[in-house]
Amino acid sequence: EPEVTQTPSHQVTQMGQEVILRCVPISNHLYFYWYRQILGQKVEFLVSFYNNEISEKSEIFDDQFSVERPDGSNFTLKIRSTKLEDSAMYFCASNNRGRWETQYFGPGTRLLVL
Amino acid sequence: KQEVTQIPAALSVPEGENLVLNCSFTDSAIYNLQWFRQDPGKGLTSLLLIQSSQREQTSGRLNASLDKSSGRSTLYIAASQPGDSATYLCAVRLGGATNKLIFGTGTLLAVQP
Repeated sequence: EPEVTQTPSHQVTQMGQEVILRCVPISNHLYFYWYRQILGQKVEFLVSFYNNEISEKSEIFDDQFSVERPDGSNFTLKIRSTKLEDSAMYFCASNNRGRWETQYFGPGTRLLVL
Repeated sequence: KQEVTQIPAALSVPEGENLVLNCSFTDSAIYNLQWFRQDPGKGLTSLLLIQSSQREQTSGRLNASLDKSSGRSTLYIAASQPGDSATYLCAVRLGGATNKLIFGTGTLLAVQP
């Protein structure tokens, strides 16, 4: 069964460094999402992406964040200058029909900012 | 602002017991509601999706109900097994153009063998 994959599974970085989290959505999907979960807290929406542009973003998704679909298979989340509070599990998700169906989540990347 | 709450926060039951997890949301103008399962350090696995026009959905030993007007959903797990041990999350999608999910606080379930 097709799955969303994410790399790396874990990343440790120094505060102020740039990180890129990578996701490979399910191949025929058209809608892509990033969520994050700070340890012990709720899963929070960051951004949704459709037709090569951001369709919606949360207040968390400020100028330090960007997303890109550099080719036909990858979907990336870049944090330009990481802060301690960016430490979280970051989940990528995708689906084919937007609001009409469930979102399929990847296993997540655990980011630790020191 | 939509708030999603789940009760109880944690639940421990003996194997074989039937159980109910609760989810409540403050804004009844939802498009659909989903139940997910999260295993430690893992991603989210979708269990059931209920559209706003539906009252319930069933998959195997799982049954989810939705009462939109009262802002409540329940997830019923029949004949629980140790393998059901996980965190269960509910998430709502609001009406309108948004596709984002708003997640609840989660219920940590432990099924004792």
